[in-house]
Amino acid sequence: DTGVSQDPRHKITKRGQNVTFRCDPISEHNRLYWYRQTLGQGPEFLTYFQNEAQLEKSRLLSDRFSAERPKGSFSTLEIQRTEQGDSAMYLCASSLAGSTGIASNYGYTFGSGTRLTVV
Amino acid sequence: GQQVMQIPQYQHVQEGEDFTTYCNSSTTLSNIQWYKQRPGGHPVFLIQLVKSGEVKKQKRLTFQFGEAKKNSSLHITATQTTDVGTYFCVTDYKLSFGAGTTVTVRA
Repeated sequence: DTGVSQDPRHKITKRGQNVTFRCDPISEHNRLYWYRQTLGQGPEFLTYFQNEAQLEKSRLLSDRFSAERPKGSFSTLEIQRTEQGDSAMYLCASSLAGSTGIASNYGYTFGSGTRLTVV
Repeated sequence: GQQVMQIPQYQHVQEGEDFTTYCNSSTTLSNIQWYKQRPGGHPVFLIQLVKSGEVKKQKRLTFQFGEAKKNSSLHITATQTTDVGTYFCVTDYKLSFGAGTTVTVRA
């Protein structure tokens, strides 16, 4: 297992189009997060999963965003009717979290991200 | 939610000098994590602190969790050019990132 994989690495799309990103976490990890990061800012929480259950979704996320983790393994993030303001790096992270919710001492492993440019 | 404030936002350091970045919360934290993000890269996990007053060291990096579990610090000694990047403190609640401290090093 080589870590968290994200696909594609780069995506350029026209405004109004739909895009879907994929994240493959480390196989035994039960927790998966999606973030958005713009230049000069810290990663902004979007949503997270515990196994296949989506436990929380940011209020900043509009209805155009949806995420799934159907079998508790890989996850997809879809953005419908993209807008220029959606241009950002989309990061995925995974971890093995215990029953208390605290991550293992290995923390969260991030993927290299998908850079979205909406033109 | 648990929000953290990081200071300073920017740190310009002469190579060889020490510096400290601080992370403060208005609420008690269950734990705190520190990540480093190099320019153009993704966040990389450095350490997790769980216990009140905990201190952990990684070579030239010293991490501390306050007694009240409301603040944390990262101290780097003898800064090197490899220390360049943004350091984030992160609460486990929704893995919320602070704004980070961006470190640049003058050779």
